[in-house]
Amino acid sequence: GAVVSQHPSWVICKSGTSVKIECRSLDFQATTMFWYRQFPKQSLMLMATSNEGSKATYEQGVEKDKFLINHASLTLSTLTVTSAHPEDSSFYICSNQAFFGQGTRLTVV
Amino acid sequence: ILNVEQSPQSLHVQEGDSTNFTCSFPSSNFYALHWYRWETAKSPEALFVMTLNGDEKKKGRISATLNTKEGYSYLYIKGSQPEDSATYLCALNYQLIWGAGTKLIIKP
Repeated sequence: GAVVSQHPSWVICKSGTSVKIECRSLDFQATTMFWYRQFPKQSLMLMATSNEGSKATYEQGVEKDKFLINHASLTLSTLTVTSAHPEDSSFYICSNQAFFGQGTRLTVV
Repeated sequence: ILNVEQSPQSLHVQEGDSTNFTCSFPSSNFYALHWYRWETAKSPEALFVMTLNGDEKKKGRISATLNTKEGYSYLYIKGSQPEDSATYLCALNYQLIWGAGTKLIIKP
């Protein structure tokens, strides 16, 4: 139970475009979900906490206008990387309060 | 595609009991195995990095072993305490290919 489904698992996009990543909490209504980013050879860093029906809480140094988070229902949270640049290329992973999703490898060209 | 599996998915343990869980990975193309402890809403805390077959590392009541030939690592917790409740993650190699985690709940 409490499995998290995240997609896409990988995406390649052009600079300046936006990319949406979906995170679904299966069999578990998640009022709170978490978004992480993993830099090369480093651990996961918490980016933001997504709250159902209200604004997300961003960690220090994370641009909220750059990384738009929407948590419209108890089972779905989305992260949109707006106006993507090559430096946004990374591994993004979400979690509910118990388990991680599969992660999304974003490459911006 | 490298796949890292952890079992069990979740585990309830009585306070004071010892426990262990498993991380399995492909034995080929192995460079390192990481163990992390993760609490909700926090960044994962690194526990161990293991590179050599037969490695055994210890940190307080927590220890880990590594078998690179058969592709598995065990994490042991001795005398579980409520504060050990967390999700324990393993990750493979330096690009960190993550397992899904084992959620450990310690019952007082």
